[in-house]
Amino acid sequence: GIQVEQSPPDLILQEGANSTLRCNFSDSVNNLQWFHQNPWGQLINLFYIPSGTKQNGRLSATTVATERYSLLYISSSQTTDSGVYFCAGGMEYGNKLVFGAGTILRVKS
Amino acid sequence: DAGVIQSPRHEVTEMGQEVTLRCKPISGHNSLFWYRQTMMRGLELLIYFNNNVPIDDSGMPEDRFSAKMPNASFSTLKIQPSEPRDSAVYFCASTEGTSNQPQHFGDGTRLSIL
Repeated sequence: GIQVEQSPPDLILQEGANSTLRCNFSDSVNNLQWFHQNPWGQLINLFYIPSGTKQNGRLSATTVATERYSLLYISSSQTTDSGVYFCAGGMEYGNKLVFGAGTILRVKS
Repeated sequence: DAGVIQSPRHEVTEMGQEVTLRCKPISGHNSLFWYRQTMMRGLELLIYFNNNVPIDDSGMPEDRFSAKMPNASFSTLKIQPSEPRDSAVYFCASTEGTSNQPQHFGDGTRLSIL
């Protein structure tokens, strides 16, 4: 099955700093999502992005499907951005997703 | 619009007891997924349904686990008998359509087996 590798595993930022999180896939995917798990444990959809670039406020994501990776950019980070960021991908009929291990982000004020 | 609704939010029970977790998917969604999250194994897919039919249950850990989807608006995940190693957060998610659609997650059920 597909392997999903995320980097870095953890990251500490000063408030206001920018960061880039990366997700590599062992095989091509046609379904790719980024999630934020907040300190209360909720999994929040950030982007559905099997290819191309999307932006939502201070967050943006780019997926290069031919090279099997995706990037999540966080600009002007805030303490509320803290939590765990997951990417997940899939190739199969039925929207089945495989999750990476996550990047733990802590933004300090 | 209401999101995916899971109940209970928290469950604490003694080993050997039957546990039933419930999920109501987003109205109109026809794919439903059950996941388990632990520190050791991360987020892993247990089973998923398309149009109320189980498609892939290869992630179900053992026969003590079972899942049903009697109709398009309700699913259950049952553990009988429960064991301490089943302690985890269990998430339910749903999608519209059967391919290339984003998954939407419920808030999860935090299960503790004593």
